[in-house]
Amino acid sequence: KQEVTQIPAALSVPEGENLVLNCSFTDSAIYNLQWFRQDPGKGLTSLLLIQSSQREQTSGRLNASLDKSSGRSTLYIAASQPGDSATYLCAVRRRETSGSRLTFGEGTQLTVNP
Amino acid sequence: KAGVTQTPRYLIKTRGQQVTLSCSPISGHRSVSWYQQTPGQGLQFLFEYFSETQRNKGNFPGRFSGRQFSNSRSEMNVSTLELGDSALYLCASSRLAGANEQFFGPGTRLTVL
Repeated sequence: KQEVTQIPAALSVPEGENLVLNCSFTDSAIYNLQWFRQDPGKGLTSLLLIQSSQREQTSGRLNASLDKSSGRSTLYIAASQPGDSATYLCAVRRRETSGSRLTFGEGTQLTVNP
Repeated sequence: KAGVTQTPRYLIKTRGQQVTLSCSPISGHRSVSWYQQTPGQGLQFLFEYFSETQRNKGNFPGRFSGRQFSNSRSEMNVSTLELGDSALYLCASSRLAGANEQFFGPGTRLTVL
């Protein structure tokens, strides 16, 4: 059974800091790993998708890496802004006997203080 | 290009009733998945559909069911509602099944009284 763990559970930083969010998973038989952002009471916004054959993806101030062999991914946020405050979720898309599913971590709640 | 839409956005029901939630995927997307989000259990997988066929199902009781139509729109139904079914129900679509990026809708907030 796939398990996904995110560390830390919560993070509070001053504006402008660079920060790293961590995600680990137990089963390396994945299609891909996706990072999402969720604002309170809202749906999920896809930030970055890393296919299992890739090592990293970048979008603006965001950079995500994937080390499938060790079951780890990191999301790097450069020059954080108050608008980055949200819960960040890591999810792995797992191959199954039939079909697939996303398995989510519990999330990291990020607060960026002005 | 319109995103994933879900209706209704909010629902209040009482125990024992049933409810139907609807999801319209992004145009051209053929795969739809459903997830339940609660404070205690986080995000849990419910179903995956592709081309009107259920490809995968999560560990939920038989009261939870779903279907997908020929236009890729999907519905999920929960019968005999329980207090514990109160949750945010999220629908996600992707172009194909498997390795494609998933895009989520805004969710339906279900409250069971």
